[in-house]
Amino acid sequence: DAGVIQSPRHEVTEMGQEVTLRCKPISGHDYLFWYRQTMMRGLELLIYFNNNVPIDDSGMPEDRFSAKMPNASFSTLKIQPSEPRDSAVYFCASSWDRGTGPFGEAFFGQGTRLTVV
Amino acid sequence: ELKVEQNPLFLSMQEGKNYTIYCNYSTTSDRLYWYRQDPGKSLESLFVLLSNGAVKQEGRLMASLDTKARLSTLHITAAVHDLSATYFCAGLNTGTASKLTFGTGTRLQVTL
Repeated sequence: DAGVIQSPRHEVTEMGQEVTLRCKPISGHDYLFWYRQTMMRGLELLIYFNNNVPIDDSGMPEDRFSAKMPNASFSTLKIQPSEPRDSAVYFCASSWDRGTGPFGEAFFGQGTRLTVV
Repeated sequence: ELKVEQNPLFLSMQEGKNYTIYCNYSTTSDRLYWYRQDPGKSLESLFVLLSNGAVKQEGRLMASLDTKARLSTLHITAAVHDLSATYFCAGLNTGTASKLTFGTGTRLQVTL
């Protein structure tokens, strides 16, 4: 497997624009996580899905953020409208569920570095 | 809710020295993970500790888990510059969700 694949790797956008980040988890994984990493706040869990269903979105900072997982092999994180304070590295990660594999260990994508100017 | 604390947050050490990074967690977590992150890169899994007393070693790094003390340690032996990175520990929340809670990370800088 190629691992968790994220796109784009880098995104520069103007304030107010819509940004969509994409993630393809490892095939067979049941969990998908979206994290945000900044110098000030460290690594934050935004939302996670189990079998394509959002389980906990309490980490999503504002209504401007939304995430979807229409199928087991694809997820998006959307920011609309974007603001400069959204600038960060966004990671997607996936893992197995209990009973389906060596659960717990999360495998991370390469991240998307978002800059909002 | 599981909470994970690491210390120190920053560690500057000379090549050849030994040091330990500590990871304390607040509630039951029978699995503990260590990750490494190089600057500008993603997080890479280093060790998975599955039970009390577990010890894993790779090269100059050795990780251990004491579930009774709710403590995991990452010991660095005879540090080399290539080990410079940020190291995260993460506990697995018990219950139905396979969700990790990460510590704040320890930024390790090994100087020549």
